[in-house]
Amino acid sequence: EDQVTQSPEALRLQEGESSSLNCSYTVSGLRGLFWYRQDPGKGPEFLFTLYSAGEEKEKERLKATLTKKESFLHITAPKPEDSATYLCAVRDNFNKFYFGSGTKLNVKP
Amino acid sequence: EAGVVQSPRYKIIEKKQPVAFWCNPISGHNTLYWYRQNLGQGPELLIRYENEEAVDDSQLPKDRFSAERLKGVDSTLKIQPAELGDSAVYLCASSHRRGENTEAFFGQGTRLTVV
Repeated sequence: EDQVTQSPEALRLQEGESSSLNCSYTVSGLRGLFWYRQDPGKGPEFLFTLYSAGEEKEKERLKATLTKKESFLHITAPKPEDSATYLCAVRDNFNKFYFGSGTKLNVKP
Repeated sequence: EAGVVQSPRYKIIEKKQPVAFWCNPISGHNTLYWYRQNLGQGPELLIRYENEEAVDDSQLPKDRFSAERLKGVDSTLKIQPAELGDSAVYLCASSHRRGENTEAFFGQGTRLTVV
């Protein structure tokens, strides 16, 4: 059964303290791994798509990487405005999306 | 380019009453998804459309939930009758079915409270 597990559930960082969020997955035929950001009361906002092991994508302070079994979202020198819930999702051969439960990030000034 | 539009943003109803949510996907997106998101959880798929065809409704509670996507564009999700456990955020998303850019884009969601 396709599955997505994110860790940690919650992460508290000081401003400027770099860290990583993990997304481990089991899927029948990966057609893409997606990272989303979700602010309270809003829908998920698309960040990155990764398709194959070894691929990396960057956007400002965020960098996403992918292996055959997991993905990491690295946050370098985070700012308070990076506080949000980060969701990971995978798309399988049948065009289905499976989401993890998310990591709630809180960056303190 | 306009994003995915959902309405209403908020809805409060009494249990056993009906409720309907509306979604207008991004222009040109063939695939439309309805998700339910409970507090502190990731979105869970309810139904997926490819054009006007419901290709995956295995997670839709069919005794009380129904959906339609007439003409392969807008979609409506209905609950009748609503139960207390249906309180959640209902998200609509759309994507291209084929092609390199296969990410799904989400609307703002409808927060349903059943009292």
